[in-house]
Amino acid sequence: DAKTTQPPSMDCAEGRAANLPCNHSTISGNEYVYWYRQIHSQGPQYIIHGLKNNETNEMASLIITEDRKSSTLILPHATLRDTAVYYCIVKSFNKFYFGSGTKLNVKP
Amino acid sequence: DGGITQSPKYLFRKEGQNVTLSCEQNLNHDAMYWYRQDPGQGLRLIYYSQIVNDFQKGDIAEGYSVSREKKESFPLTVTSAQKNPTAFYLCASSLVNSNQPQHFGDGTRLSIL
Repeated sequence: DAKTTQPPSMDCAEGRAANLPCNHSTISGNEYVYWYRQIHSQGPQYIIHGLKNNETNEMASLIITEDRKSSTLILPHATLRDTAVYYCIVKSFNKFYFGSGTKLNVKP
Repeated sequence: DGGITQSPKYLFRKEGQNVTLSCEQNLNHDAMYWYRQDPGQGLRLIYYSQIVNDFQKGDIAEGYSVSREKKESFPLTVTSAQKNPTAFYLCASSLVNSNQPQHFGDGTRLSIL
């Protein structure tokens, strides 16, 4: 019962912003949204998380819609090393619900 | 450095054999998790534990067993009842009742000989 829906793949040109969408229409009021990325055969790497306000850190920005039913992860200047699978996750009652992820292909 | 250590990185199992995957954390996290990942797929929850001596089944617990005798350790046994054990196994930990993120180990890749 995945709580998130993401497109299976996206392409982005190197140096441009990558905008990865996520739908979480059944999210409850106190459930956070987390983003991770995974490079082949490694453990997922934490990127950012938020509840309802937009968040920014050194890796990315997270934009959450006002109704909290969707969010977008923004990598402002994608590099080839950002090629990975990106997971949008909802945490509910101490369990983290993973969707199928988006494979981001950054192209030169 | 604080983190999660999974061992071994690669593991081979013969048909009918039980194998145990190790997961240790020094982050002082109460909750620990085991996930299974098949090629090209997302993560599926096998078991999780929020406190020592207690654990709950996840979505795909059949053929697996766990124990949580110490806060730092959460070993996963893949039993002979698991008919398709070949996969990438990931261990994670987190604080309980907190919005802090989950931390992951580097995974163990299990293959059938």
